[in-house]
Amino acid sequence: DAKTTQPPSMDCAEGRAANLPCNHSTISGNEYVYWYRQIHSQGPQYIIHGLKNNETNEMASLIITEDRKSSTLILPHATLRDTAVYYCIVRGANQGGKLIFGQGTELSVKP
Amino acid sequence: DAGVIQSPRHEVTEMGQEVTLRCKPISGHNSLFWYRQTMMRGLELLIYFNNNVPIDDSGMPEDRFSAKMPNASFSTLKIQPSEPRDSAVYFCASSTDTRRAEAFFGQGTRLTVV
Repeated sequence: DAKTTQPPSMDCAEGRAANLPCNHSTISGNEYVYWYRQIHSQGPQYIIHGLKNNETNEMASLIITEDRKSSTLILPHATLRDTAVYYCIVRGANQGGKLIFGQGTELSVKP
Repeated sequence: DAGVIQSPRHEVTEMGQEVTLRCKPISGHNSLFWYRQTMMRGLELLIYFNNNVPIDDSGMPEDRFSAKMPNASFSTLKIQPSEPRDSAVYFCASSTDTRRAEAFFGQGTRLTVV
């Protein structure tokens, strides 16, 4: 399974866009990029995933570079409730598709 | 659906005692994952099942840990005997069996071994 690299922490002003980067240079052609977040004391929560095209849902947008070696999660209008640890994961191609979490990025949204 | 249900939410036990954590996955999901989270090691995958069969248990720390999935709607993680270093939050997650499927996590069981 491909490994991911994320900055350990980031700050964002409330109401501004939060752009969280992730490097996954060893990703293989059939592996998806997933983003999860974990708000303090809760279980991880799915945000979005993609293969090679950009994706958008009600929570966020996912921008994947053309070479697929990196991606960016965008929270368009961050709120205080978006303060959490954000995990970028490349999902393995094995049966069942296990999710291996790294250290993630701790995003602090400030008033 | 009520989501992934874990029980108990909190467990305090004495060193040497047996501990059993329980998980009910979302109906229709055929992959189930057990994770452990600590400050030092983050979120670690312990074991995962597909169609009730253990696929990868390489994350199980030692023989004191065992996991079963007797049917599609129930799984247990057992620690016998428990040790203080097992103190952690244990999460269960389930998903359908494709690389595209999102995994849904339970609220976790906070285990404290004293």
